[in-house]
Amino acid sequence: EVQLVESGGALVQPGGSLRLSCAASGFTFSTYAMSWVRQAPGKGLEWVSGISGTGGSTRYADSVKGRFTISRDNSNNTLYLQVKSLRAEDTAVYYCAKPAMVRGVIIYYYMDVWGKGTTVTVSS
Amino acid sequence: QSALTQPASVSGSPGQSITISCSGTSSDVGGYNYVSWYQQHPGKAPKLMIYDVTNRPSGVSSRFSGSKSGNAASLTISGLQAEDEADYYCSSYTNNIPLGVVFGGGTKLTVL
Repeated sequence: EVQLVESGGALVQPGGSLRLSCAASGFTFSTYAMSWVRQAPGKGLEWVSGISGTGGSTRYADSVKGRFTISRDNSNNTLYLQVKSLRAEDTAVYYCAKPAMVRGVIIYYYMDVWGKGTTVTVSS
Repeated sequence: QSALTQPASVSGSPGQSITISCSGTSSDVGGYNYVSWYQQHPGKAPKLMIYDVTNRPSGVSSRFSGSKSGNAASLTISGLQAEDEADYYCSSYTNNIPLGVVFGGGTKLTVL
């Protein structure tokens, strides 16, 4: 069974840092680009960051650029999101998501497996 | 990185059909047939319901269908059922964000 399990969320003060993790299982992790998507309380989905299968290519939403860093450890099937200089508006549930395979091709802009999410709360 | 535009809410009675719209630009919805739709029940992770504008993943009911015209996409749910009550998000490939996607603001579907 394909599974994603996020961890690392916590209550943190403004300006603080955290490292979020996403443990993947049930698929060949290293062949899939992966994404982080967040959802603020009562709000919609926001794509945060993406990383290629090898880790050699990364992208970020403008709202987190320069503060968040996405990485992966393919030997341990784990995706990470290092979050720094946290602000109140970063308060959200953070999901990791796996792209779908369509007609034998991995399509990063369709996410067919999501974790349950990990909650980051930024407050003093 | 502007979000796609969706109505905040729609409603319908059991058995009826409803349509949710999703408006974008030529950089995303209008430029490519790479629109998807997600269903999210409260406290749950999103679920992929439609991809490539019109296609359903295995296991998704045929009551869900998608379409696109110009810069706007639509999700139609026919034969509404109580369990369809959820939030729905459109999403699209965008040429502005390699490895990224753009989401709509979400639409709350209420089954009356």
